[in-house]
Amino acid sequence: DADVTQTPRNRITKTGKRIMLECSQTKGHDRMYWYRQDPGLGLRLIYYSFDVKDINKGEISDGYSVSRQAQAKFSLSLESAIPNQTALYFCATSDSNMRGRGTDTQYFGPGTRLTVL
Amino acid sequence: DAKTTQPNSMESNEEEPVHLPCNHSTISGTDYIHWYRQLPSQGPEYVIHGLTSNVNNRMASLAIAEDRKSSTLILHRATLRDAAVYYCILEGGSEKLVFGKGTKLTVNP
Repeated sequence: DADVTQTPRNRITKTGKRIMLECSQTKGHDRMYWYRQDPGLGLRLIYYSFDVKDINKGEISDGYSVSRQAQAKFSLSLESAIPNQTALYFCATSDSNMRGRGTDTQYFGPGTRLTVL
Repeated sequence: DAKTTQPNSMESNEEEPVHLPCNHSTISGTDYIHWYRQLPSQGPEYVIHGLTSNVNNRMASLAIAEDRKSSTLILHRATLRDAAVYYCILEGGSEKLVFGKGTKLTVNP
């Protein structure tokens, strides 16, 4: 079984609809992240959470919200979807205990392909 | 975090070594150099990281210039499964990874 899972894997929705993307992890990591990727571009950080009570905005948080329901679950919501939010969305996790060794290696889920019509 | 510069694309032949360059002239003393790769239709995966010394692991080697203003990811024998976009990322205390466009590696059979 995959360590980082995302649901749904594909979603088509209409402008104005509320959408929730879910991420679950079994790695026991305390940190979780949401990124989006547009065609031909690298990943951009939307939100990140270093523990259940710590939520931070990333580079492109406008139009998105998140919820960290438990250490293992981190959800991304689009309150009112618009076409330019059509993208590939990735969730990632990392272990803060590794930072002392110079790495905060992130483990990514398989992605959710979202299309907003 | 400082910025990195990578070629947009590179080609290699199967079973030959591949050297993927990355320039980071504004790197600070506390910045770690991370490499990730993204295979087609998958999320990125960690490849290797280093600070000052060259590093080796089962996937690749990382050669870091003495002045740390550039680094090279080395795949010793490219396979078709190594075709991916490779990202060079600096991280130095922000606790976040900033992905650029990376280098798209094509491996020819």
